[in-house]
Amino acid sequence: QVQLVQSGAEVKKPGASVKVSCKASGYSFTSYLIHWVRQAPGQGLEWMGIINPSADSTSYAQKFRGRVSMTRDTSTSTVYMELSSLRSEDTAVFYCARRGIGDAFDVWGQGTMVTVSS
Amino acid sequence: QSVLTQPPSASGTPGQRVTISCSGSSSNIGSNSVYWYQQFPGTAPKLLIYRNDQRPSGVPDRLSGSKSGTSASLAISGLRSEDEADYYCAAWDVSLSGWVFGGGTKLTVL
Repeated sequence: QVQLVQSGAEVKKPGASVKVSCKASGYSFTSYLIHWVRQAPGQGLEWMGIINPSADSTSYAQKFRGRVSMTRDTSTSTVYMELSSLRSEDTAVFYCARRGIGDAFDVWGQGTMVTVSS
Repeated sequence: QSVLTQPPSASGTPGQRVTISCSGSSSNIGSNSVYWYQQFPGTAPKLLIYRNDQRPSGVPDRLSGSKSGTSASLAISGLRSEDEADYYCAAWDVSLSGWVFGGGTKLTVL
């Protein structure tokens, strides 16, 4: 079945970087773009950006430009999201989601909790 | 402060019909499709409605979406206890060149 499986929880110190992976299976990896979405504890959803696994092109939300990098590895059908210069406000669950039917976020990863604490 | 505005909470009794509103502007809802997602605590969001009023397979027809001008609504009829969750609307914003979400509405089934 179509699924996105993300890497496990991370604990980072302020100023560090974190790299979260999202492995796709059950569909043609290069045929669908992948979004990244952040959700702080008790808060709503926030779009971070999108990567085209086929063209290896990206588009980032203004808020995260300069601090986020999205990459992909077609040999393993995996996309990565790296966020640098972490601060306590970055403590959140990060989701990857496929851009699918009708341009919707139609398949979601299970989420990766990133805790930023000294 | 979210770009799309939703009421923070909504409630209803089993069997009732409940609507959740989502208000935006000409740069998002007014010019692009609206999407709705359901999220249970500790789990990933799930797509409920795409392109304003389309349901993916598996989503029951007692859920429906609509859009008018710069506002949209999600309606849930025949309310059930398992509908108790958070609901988010989303749309592409041409001014921001990015996806924007509502702040979410917590639906309680009394």
